Amino acid sequence: DQQVKQNSPSLSVQEGRISILNCDYTNSMFDYFLWYKKYPAEGPTFLISISSIKDKNEDGRFTVFLNKSAKHLSLHIVPSQPGDSAVYFCAASLSLSGNTPLVFGKGTRLSVIA
Amino acid sequence: KAGVTQTPRYLIKTRGQQVTLSCSPISGHRSVSWYQQTPGQGLQFLFEYFSETQRNKGNFPGRFSGRQFSNSRSEMNVSTLELGDSALYLCASSTEAADTQYFGPGTRLTVL
Repeated sequence: DQQVKQNSPSLSVQEGRISILNCDYTNSMFDYFLWYKKYPAEGPTFLISISSIKDKNEDGRFTVFLNKSAKHLSLHIVPSQPGDSAVYFCAASLSLSGNTPLVFGKGTRLSVIA
Repeated sequence: KAGVTQTPRYLIKTRGQQVTLSCSPISGHRSVSWYQQTPGQGLQFLFEYFSETQRNKGNFPGRFSGRQFSNSRSEMNVSTLELGDSALYLCASSTEAADTQYFGPGTRLTVL
């Protein structure tokens, strides 16, 4: 049973527009969420995170929104750039447990078209 | 701080052989997790080590094993390689398993 789901395997967006990547989770005990970006043949790079006590966190062009009641989070990239083309993974954590590893979604491939 | 390093970066093996991959975590990180990535399958969790103990294990056969040394460096071993083991193997380190994990560049294993 997948606890973290990214239902869109791929997304295409024009350069300069907004990219919105979505992620749903089933375990209401998750309290820390992360987004990673991955280029081919490289390891994922940590992008941004959000704690369940917040509903929004911004870092430059990247904003993550958390809707706990809907068990949904999204990553907004504004404006999108060709270099943002990559696979994006969301992950969830039971941070208070300490020793339970992150749970990853299967990823969404973002293509930003110039 | 230096990032997570993995060696070797590329490996080609034949079916039936065994392989050992190495991971050096970020200094001070005691948790090391291993993942397998194949096309379309996302990041499949293999196992997690903390202070030389395997604390968490994913749903992989016993041919996949690992260990962690006292300096937190970790190795992963795959015995009796199968064609389906061809993948990118990623190592990630963190202060604790549930904290932000930082990934190495991965080892690309090809089984012929």
